[in-house]
Amino acid sequence: DAGITQSPRHKVTETGTPVTLRCHQTENHRYMYWYRQDPGHGLRLIHYSYGVKDTDKGEVSDGYSVSRSKTEDFLLTLESATSSQTSVYFCAISESTVNTEAFFGQGTRLTVV
Amino acid sequence: GENVEQHPSTLSVQEGDSAVIKCTYSDSASNYFPWYKQELGKRPQLIIDIRSNVGEKKDQRIAVTLNKTAKHFSLHITETQPEDSAVYFCAASENNQGGKLIFGQGTELSVKP
Repeated sequence: DAGITQSPRHKVTETGTPVTLRCHQTENHRYMYWYRQDPGHGLRLIHYSYGVKDTDKGEVSDGYSVSRSKTEDFLLTLESATSSQTSVYFCAISESTVNTEAFFGQGTRLTVV
Repeated sequence: GENVEQHPSTLSVQEGDSAVIKCTYSDSASNYFPWYKQELGKRPQLIIDIRSNVGEKKDQRIAVTLNKTAKHFSLHITETQPEDSAVYFCAASENNQGGKLIFGQGTELSVKP
């Protein structure tokens, strides 16, 4: 398996609190992505990064922000968590526009109560 | 933007039968089409992919076909086994950026012994 680690693996938080999820990779891949997975919706892209400090929005970016200060780390922040952000969050990485296979992390189950 | 529709949402087959899952996409610029398998509680894992310059690709019991004109692609699993039971996702990618994937809603495949 590709070297991708997500932390935490599980989190319960209260509505209105900030939450940060971390994705760490040891593959030195350029591209990193955050997806959320909800029943009936498949996986939906939240934000992605194509290099250090280079990020862009995906399909469902409202309420989320990201940062990438190092190649190996991609952080997803929920500024003020809401119940609609209860989901399983997956980080993914891909090497380049030539080697395009995306590898996923183990996922983080977030519950907002 | 791209939209991917996947059918059926659930599929039940007898062991040894074939299974077919179909996806359609909307953006003619999409040129990379991977299929992921996700077992319960696990991360999605790539099982096969196809690019727009190829009409069909096989890997043992798994095959994928692509019809660019009709904008649809299909996953074919032959001689199904109980361990094929999982949720399968199709996806499409724009601009050769493999990780920036737009996913279908998923198909839950059940293979009965």
